[in-house]
Amino acid sequence: DAGVIQSPRHEVTEMGQEVTLRCKPISGHDYLFWYRQTMMRGLELLIYFNNNVPIDDSGMPEDRFSAKMPNASFSTLKIQPSEPRDSAVYFCASNSQGLRYNEQFFGPGTRLTVL
Amino acid sequence: KQEVTQIPAALSVPEGENLVLNCSFTDSAIYNLQWFRQDPGKGLTSLLLIQSSQREQTSGRLNASLDKSSGRSTLYIAASQPGDSATYLCAVRPVNNDMRFGAGTRLTVKP
Repeated sequence: DAGVIQSPRHEVTEMGQEVTLRCKPISGHDYLFWYRQTMMRGLELLIYFNNNVPIDDSGMPEDRFSAKMPNASFSTLKIQPSEPRDSAVYFCASNSQGLRYNEQFFGPGTRLTVL
Repeated sequence: KQEVTQIPAALSVPEGENLVLNCSFTDSAIYNLQWFRQDPGKGLTSLLLIQSSQREQTSGRLNASLDKSSGRSTLYIAASQPGDSATYLCAVRPVNNDMRFGAGTRLTVKP
């Protein structure tokens, strides 16, 4: 298996632009997670899905952030409009309730820079 | 709300030393605890996962312990090597599958 796949790996954009981050979970996993990592706040959970349904989005910082999971193999995290304080590394992870004690597998992350 | 703390924030040791990284959490109602390694510019690699019913897990030179009642976990690294240099993150999973991460310990092993 290729593991969790994220794209793009790096994104540089200007303030006010829309940013879309993409994630392909490991096949067969029924949970998908979006995390954000910053120097100040460390790694934070933004939202997670179970069977394509959002379960907890309490970590989403504000209405500018939205996430979707249209099918079991694809999810997006969108920021519109983006702001410089959104600059961070965004990780996607997936797991399965029945697999290896629910160990989460992480993607390589997307490094976002908003100028 | 679950809070996870890792001490120390940074650690520098000479090659060959044994070392311990600490993780504490405020709510003992956890499902499991996981230790990750993160290399600069890269994603997280899972090292060890301990279920709430377990006391420890071992993988090679790594040993992780869990004392749920006191809200503590340690990651022991034996005979450290320069290749062990990385940031080590501790994460706890409450029963609702919402993982909480510590800020990490940045480890440097000097040749």
